[in-house]
Amino acid sequence: AQSVTQLDSQVPVFEEAPVELRCNYSSSVSVYLFWYVQYPNQGLQLLLKYLSGSTLVESINGFEAEFNKSQTSFHLRKPSVHISDTAEYFCAVTEAGSSNTGKLIFGQGTTLQVKP
Amino acid sequence: DAGVIQSPRHEVTEMGQEVTLRCKPISGHNSLFWYRQTMMRGLELLIYFNNNVPIDDSGMPEDRFSAKMPNASFSTLKIQPSEPRDSAVYFCASSLNLYNEQFFGPGTRLTVL
Repeated sequence: AQSVTQLDSQVPVFEEAPVELRCNYSSSVSVYLFWYVQYPNQGLQLLLKYLSGSTLVESINGFEAEFNKSQTSFHLRKPSVHISDTAEYFCAVTEAGSSNTGKLIFGQGTTLQVKP
Repeated sequence: DAGVIQSPRHEVTEMGQEVTLRCKPISGHNSLFWYRQTMMRGLELLIYFNNNVPIDDSGMPEDRFSAKMPNASFSTLKIQPSEPRDSAVYFCASSLNLYNEQFFGPGTRLTVL
């Protein structure tokens, strides 16, 4: 079985500062990894995903995440945040390949609070 | 594309009443997921369907909860009888198949008094 740990429940940061949201996972098999974002009063939206290939994946709005198999991590980073990035961010994992059941396991979420 | 549609957006009911939450997945999507989100437990997968067939309902908390998908364009999640601890935001998500990106609906905020 897989599990996901998001180490920070809240991350306050000033506008234009860099940010890192941490995610560690546990699994006995290969995994696919995802970051979802939830803006206030909305559903979750996929931000980026790692399935295979390059361990560094990027989103269209400047976020990136790097899959680190040895550290079982998939931390999310952005070099300069905007007020509009204020949201809750969820890391999720599912089994890779033929073992995949489609079942996503989510972390507890990290609230990113961007201050002016 | 209208995205995943959920109704109602807000539901306030009294303990003991039956509650029915509705979901219309994105047209052409074959997989549908029901999640519950609370402050205490985070985001939990309750049940999911593939081609209208329930695949895994191990996340359904109790027999008071039931879900159906009578056709490819409609699913319901029913709670009978409801209890205050069922208060949460319930999300429906759909995907092309089990292995593709899940698209979430806006959620139904349920309050049981």
